[in-house]
Amino acid sequence: DIVMTQTPLSLSVTPGQTASITCKSSQSLLFSDGKTYLSWYLQKPGQSPQLLIYEVSNLFSGVPDRFSGSGSGTDFTLKISRVEAEDVGVFYCMQSIQLPIIFGQGTRLEIK
Amino acid sequence: EVQLVESGGGLVQPGRSLRLTCRGSGFTFGNHSMTWVRQAPGKGLEWVGFIRSRGHGGTTEYAASVKGRFTISRDDSKSVAYLQMNSLKTEDTAVYYCSKSRYFPHYWGQGALVTVSA
Repeated sequence: DIVMTQTPLSLSVTPGQTASITCKSSQSLLFSDGKTYLSWYLQKPGQSPQLLIYEVSNLFSGVPDRFSGSGSGTDFTLKISRVEAEDVGVFYCMQSIQLPIIFGQGTRLEIK
Repeated sequence: EVQLVESGGGLVQPGRSLRLTCRGSGFTFGNHSMTWVRQAPGKGLEWVGFIRSRGHGGTTEYAASVKGRFTISRDDSKSVAYLQMNSLKTEDTAVYYCSKSRYFPHYWGQGALVTVSA
């Protein structure tokens, strides 16, 4: 199975500042179709997970452009610019290139 | 508006069965794979499995932890997907979410709590 490792596991950010989360996979997530099967989710307190970014850097519909994703192969980053209070929750990366689909451990974001 | 609503959760004894239902609306249900993901209390997200659309064979895939005990099915005429859970174990206690699509699950339901306890 592919192992997904997120760092840090928690971070505290001042509103208006930038937060970055890293996700490393144990195997390349680039498929022969040219797509990279890495996505990012946010689970706000008491809510269901919501898709933020798919294929590394594509913003899902309705997601603020304060969120951005980058990376390739096995190393990926989620950046949250101008952090707001509504961004609190747990962020997960997920690989879907190979079964079983695997989520990272999650990174908890809190606001200072 | 896309909506997914899970139902059927509850308290069940170890070894017993339970069936969850996921009802979709606001999209052409039959054209999409449907995924199930669970979250044990205070833990992270765990993929359970998915069912492909009929156009892609309608076949299923499962996590090793549930394979042979859980079965995903669908009834496109009713826009529903099912998660049949047999031989339940205490470690199956979780909130179960259904979501649209397999590669990048989006539009998730509110979840159904399944508690397996004697």
